Amino acid sequence: GAGVSQSPRYKVAKRGQDVALRCDPISGHVSLFWYQQALGQGPEFLTYFQNEAQLDKSGLPSDRFFAERPEGSVSTLKIQRTQQEDSAVYLCASSLDTSSLYNEQFFGPGTRLTVL
Amino acid sequence: AQKITQTQPGMFVQEKEAVTLDCTYDTSDQSYGLFWYKQPSSGEMIFLIYQGSYDEQNATEGRYSLNFQKARKSANLVISASQLGDSAMYFCAMREPYNAGNMLTFGGGTRLMVKP
Repeated sequence: GAGVSQSPRYKVAKRGQDVALRCDPISGHVSLFWYQQALGQGPEFLTYFQNEAQLDKSGLPSDRFFAERPEGSVSTLKIQRTQQEDSAVYLCASSLDTSSLYNEQFFGPGTRLTVL
Repeated sequence: AQKITQTQPGMFVQEKEAVTLDCTYDTSDQSYGLFWYKQPSSGEMIFLIYQGSYDEQNATEGRYSLNFQKARKSANLVISASQLGDSAMYFCAMREPYNAGNMLTFGGGTRLMVKP
């Protein structure tokens, strides 16, 4: 079956532009996570959805970052007025549920954002 | 304090030899999960192996095994019979039950390079 997909795979934005990054999770997966991975570092948590509810957004670095998942499937991460420090790979992951510590997260290929 | 520490930024290993990638973690929880992921140059995070904090035996998955030393809070990944395709970034990650949806906290990664 299809895995997690993300689009676009690459995005170049001029400083100050708004961008929208899309994530299509695996069908039926309740939980959806966004992570930010700076060059040469491990991914860092941004936000978490359970179905359409955004239950935690503590990792979003500023109020320029906004995420939504209105129908509990596709999610969009929006960054307003992009800055150079926003340049990173944005990873999306989904999982069936969160009741088990073992519950595997399946990752998408990521969107590489470069802000000039 | 770092929750996950990977002290080896880069490692070389000869093809067909075994290699150990180090990971130490910090948590006050008794219940937690430890994961290893592989990230090739394509960018996707590939799940390799899982160890639960209450698992008495070390986890194994094919050529991957996890050397779990709970008292020392270490969870080293052992790759036996290295192959050229094992060249990639490797990330250790932890899941704690009270974190957002059981999100993953990642270490900084180790770049493994397999020499022919």
